[in-house]
This record gives sequence, structure tokens and C-alpha cells, in this order.
Amino acid sequence: DAKTTQPNSMESNEEEPVHLPCNHSTISGTDYIHWYRQLPSQGPEYVIHGLTSNVNNRMASLAIAEDRKSSTLILHRATLRDAAVYYCILINSGGSNYKLTFGKGTLLTVNP
Amino acid sequence: ETGVTQTPRHLVMGMTNKKSLKCEQHLGHNAMYWYKQSAKKPLELMFVYSLEERVENNSVPSRFSPECPNSSHLFLHLHTLQPEDSALYLCASSQQDNSGNTIYFGEGSWLTVV
Repeated sequence: DAKTTQPNSMESNEEEPVHLPCNHSTISGTDYIHWYRQLPSQGPEYVIHGLTSNVNNRMASLAIAEDRKSSTLILHRATLRDAAVYYCILINSGGSNYKLTFGKGTLLTVNP
Repeated sequence: ETGVTQTPRHLVMGMTNKKSLKCEQHLGHNAMYWYKQSAKKPLELMFVYSLEERVENNSVPSRFSPECPNSSHLFLHLHTLQPEDSALYLCASSQQDNSGNTIYFGEGSWLTVV
């Protein structure tokens, strides 16, 4: 599986935007970019995913670089409930895509 | 509510006990997963079932035995565990097709081995 690289931690203030980066320089053409987050003592939850174009949903926005070698998860107004570990992973849409491995993710701290 | 339900949420067992973790998905997915998450460590993929066949086993010790009787249910049978097996065990499911294969996780089962 193609690997991703994320900062170990980031800090933000409440009500401010947060940009969480992810590098995936070895991404293949059929890899989708997925973001999940894990709140304390809970299982990871889906946030957003995309292939080539930028994506928006009620939780966040995903900005994908033109060469697809990096992406950024954007939380437009961070709240205290957004404090979590955020994972960026690549999921291949074709062939065998069983080995869905997660890295360490980025621990986001939101200050009141 | 993610559509993936795990029971029990908490389990304490002795090293000589035999217990099972259960997972049920109500999403009509064709793939199910077991992950292990130890304290302050990344998620570790343990087993993957696709269409009820095991397709991935990441060198997991034989004291962990998965079972997938149908596409909606997944079990993890536990026997003669060690204290270092204490962790959060997460079940997940997905629909493996060309639409992106989003994974949905349960809330996990906290296991303590004493």
C-alpha cells in the first residue's frame, strides 16, 4: 500500500480554521484519499474522501493537490469536539485492497 | 451509530479463560475487519474477511481465532491470552468496489487480560 506522512501533532484555537496536511508521494492512479478521525475512547469515524477533485461535506473540506501527492483536510471552524487523532490513508479502488493500514495520524488539540 | 455494533464493550478475562468478541454490521457490506489498538499505538490490522473468506492474516498469534459465519457477523475467539493482549479491539466493515471503499468502525471492545 502507498504510505502517507502526517505531522504527529497540531494545535488550534476554537473557532479558527485548521489545515491538516498529508503527503502521499507514491499514490497510484486508483488510490482514493480518505480521512478518518478518532475521538478519545472511540472507534475511528469517517470524515471525507476524494480522488482528484476537492470535496466538501458537512464535517470538512478536502483539498487535493493537482499532482495528487499531497492533500489537506480543512476544518473551517474548529470546536472543542474536533480534538481527535486524524488519519489520512489511501484506499485502492481496484484489485486487492484488503491491507488497510493506518499510520500514527495527527493529534489535533483545540484550545478554548 | 455507524451501523457496526460490537459486544461486549468491556471484557475482563483471565489468562486461562476462553471468550469471544462479536461484531455485527447492518450496512450490507462485503468485507469485515478486526483491528487491535494498544495504548498510544497505531491501529494494527489483524484479520480481513471478504465475502466470508479470510483474505488477510497479519501474523496474528493463534490464541486469536476469527470466525465469519456470514457477511454480517464476525467473531474473534480468544483463548489463553497474555496481559500484553489487553487493548481496544475494533471491528470494521466496508463495501469493496470502485466507489472508494469507505470503512465504518464499531465503537470497539475494551479487553483487559489479568
